Amino acid sequence: DIVMTQSPDSLAVSLGERATINCKSSQSVLYSSNNKNYLAWYQQKPGQPPKLLIYWASTRESGVPDRFSGSGSGTDFTLTISSLQAEDVAVYYCQQYYSTSALTFGGGTKVEIK
Amino acid sequence: EVQLVQSGAEVKKPGESLKISCKGSGYSFTSYWIGWVRQMPGKGLEWMGIIYPGDSDTRYSPSFQGQVTISADKSISTAYLQWSSLKASDTAMYYCARQRVAWLPGYWGQGTLVTVSS
Repeated sequence: DIVMTQSPDSLAVSLGERATINCKSSQSVLYSSNNKNYLAWYQQKPGQPPKLLIYWASTRESGVPDRFSGSGSGTDFTLTISSLQAEDVAVYYCQQYYSTSALTFGGGTKVEIK
Repeated sequence: EVQLVQSGAEVKKPGESLKISCKGSGYSFTSYWIGWVRQMPGKGLEWMGIIYPGDSDTRYSPSFQGQVTISADKSISTAYLQWSSLKASDTAMYYCARQRVAWLPGYWGQGTLVTVSS
């Protein structure tokens, strides 16, 4: 299986400040035939299912605020919240969908308000 | 609008069997993969497996192969996750999710809480 490692496990950011979450895969999730990174980001709030924010590493899902952005390629990826809002308090997960034998998630990063 | 509606919470005893469901609507049920994801209490997300209702092609995560069975009934647009003999360690929230692009889960059900306790 491809192992996804997120850092940090948690972070506290002041309202309006930038939050940055990292995700590293144990092998590349860049598919050479289409030059796409099979990497997604989710947001999960307590008591709710995960919500897809970003796919193909940097494509924002419809309706997702533009303060959320994804970047990276190959094995190293980043989710950035440019200006943290109160409603962004949640756990964020990365997921690779490159390996069709097992899609795997990172361990999650809890984002709180400082 | 794509909707996935899951069956209600279950409380079972160890050794009992269980089948939970996920009904899709608002799209062509036979044309998209549906997967299942486990979330144990206070823990992260684990991908269990996926089924293509059009031909019942099913793939399992190695961690869940042999532990659960994923199926679908396309006549009623419903996918299933079942256990033949539950264990206390199966206590978790289970989500179904429909493919968004490739195999990526993009549309999620509300979750079914399964509690296994003697």
